[in-house]
Amino acid sequence: VLTQSPDTLSFAPGERATLSCRASETILRSKLAWYQQRPGRAPRLLIYDASKRVTGVPDRFSGDGSGADFTLTIARLEPEDSAVYYCQQYADLLPHSFGQGTKLEIK
Amino acid sequence: EVQLAESGGALVQPGGSLRLSCVASGFKFSDYAMSWVRQGPGRGLEWVSVISWNGGAKHYAAFVKGRFTISRDNAMNSLELQMHSLGPEDTGFYYCTKQTSAKGPGYIDAWGQGTKVTVS
Repeated sequence: VLTQSPDTLSFAPGERATLSCRASETILRSKLAWYQQRPGRAPRLLIYDASKRVTGVPDRFSGDGSGADFTLTIARLEPEDSAVYYCQQYADLLPHSFGQGTKLEIK
Repeated sequence: EVQLAESGGALVQPGGSLRLSCVASGFKFSDYAMSWVRQGPGRGLEWVSVISWNGGAKHYAAFVKGRFTISRDNAMNSLELQMHSLGPEDTGFYYCTKQTSAKGPGYIDAWGQGTKVTVS
């Protein structure tokens, strides 16, 4: 089970946000991904293997963590970062469950 | 460019059946595992099922309870999800997704736009 916190975050443009994803068990080899879902859109991959950024994703996005605790940090927030962010574990054990999501609002 | 195009979503009565389809392009379909992920109205993402590159391994979420069957046709670059005994809790968008591995653990690096299933 993946638990994300907090459920909702609100920041002003230019600030820095840190999102948390905690697993009920150790995620082997840090097989954790982060996805962004903007309103009305399909999700898109941001980070994989806990800290590897996908090509084309701004370097304002960074992932960290190991074991059972992971974070997604977004620096210099922009209005377009308003979205729901999900973590997902994809280690050997199925199901490859998602966290419940964190809604990020930029006002 | 990787493209995944779902179809087959519809309004169906409780207890009914539906077949979802996904046509893939822009990559060598037969090299990758594929999966379905759903999202209920106002809810988060929910992993549904995954199929290995050759269809030899299939896995389902516990809530499927034998009601869904995932399949693929590598010659047609297509993925399907046959759903039976649908209930209101199955309502939502169903996304066709591409895994990064052939059969082992992999993350999702491509999503379709989703097809809408309404059970009512």
